[in-house]
Amino acid sequence: AQSVAQPEDQVNVAEGNPLTVKCTYSVSGNPYLFWYVQYPNRGLQFLLKYITGDNLVKGSYGFEAEFNKSQTSFHLKKPSALVSDSALYFCAVRDSSASKIIFGSGTRLSIRP
Amino acid sequence: DTAVSQTPKYLVTQMGNDKSIKCEQNLGHDTMYWYKQDSKKFLKIMFSYNNKELIINETVPNRFSPKSPDKAHLNLHINSLELGDSAVYFCASRGIDNSPLHFGNGTRLTVT
Repeated sequence: AQSVAQPEDQVNVAEGNPLTVKCTYSVSGNPYLFWYVQYPNRGLQFLLKYITGDNLVKGSYGFEAEFNKSQTSFHLKKPSALVSDSALYFCAVRDSSASKIIFGSGTRLSIRP
Repeated sequence: DTAVSQTPKYLVTQMGNDKSIKCEQNLGHDTMYWYKQDSKKFLKIMFSYNNKELIINETVPNRFSPKSPDKAHLNLHINSLELGDSAVYFCASRGIDNSPLHFGNGTRLTVT
């Protein structure tokens, strides 16, 4: 069975500082990993994905994520946070042998000016 | 052009009623999903169809019945609505292999 965990309900960061949103996963096969962002009253928007290749993947709005196989983690990062980054962030995983895409519980990112 | 569109955006109804939510995607994707997001923002997968064939059916009450008339449409019919069905329901679609999900903007269902 596949699962994904986001240990932090909320992350607070000052504008201009680096941010990290944590995600760990569990799958039986090879993982396909995704990050999505949700703004109020909207659907989820795709940010980036890891399928294979370089462990550091870059995505939309300056976000990047690092795949760590030994720690089964896929943390989302950004070097310099913006107030407009404030939103709800979801990590998701799909086992390469399955169609089911499972989401973490979400982390609310709050960037203060 | 809206890639994944859901109707209605809001749905307020009484317990015991039957209602439907419609979803259409114009991305040419073969796979479509229904997710339920509760008040705590947890997202739970409900169903998935691939080219009109049901491929994922999670532990969802029989009152929920998906229907896919063609691969661009996936509708959700709910019988005998209960208070606990109140949530935001998201439709999503996906292309082949490792493509990400594309979400609609959700349908906020309120059962009174």
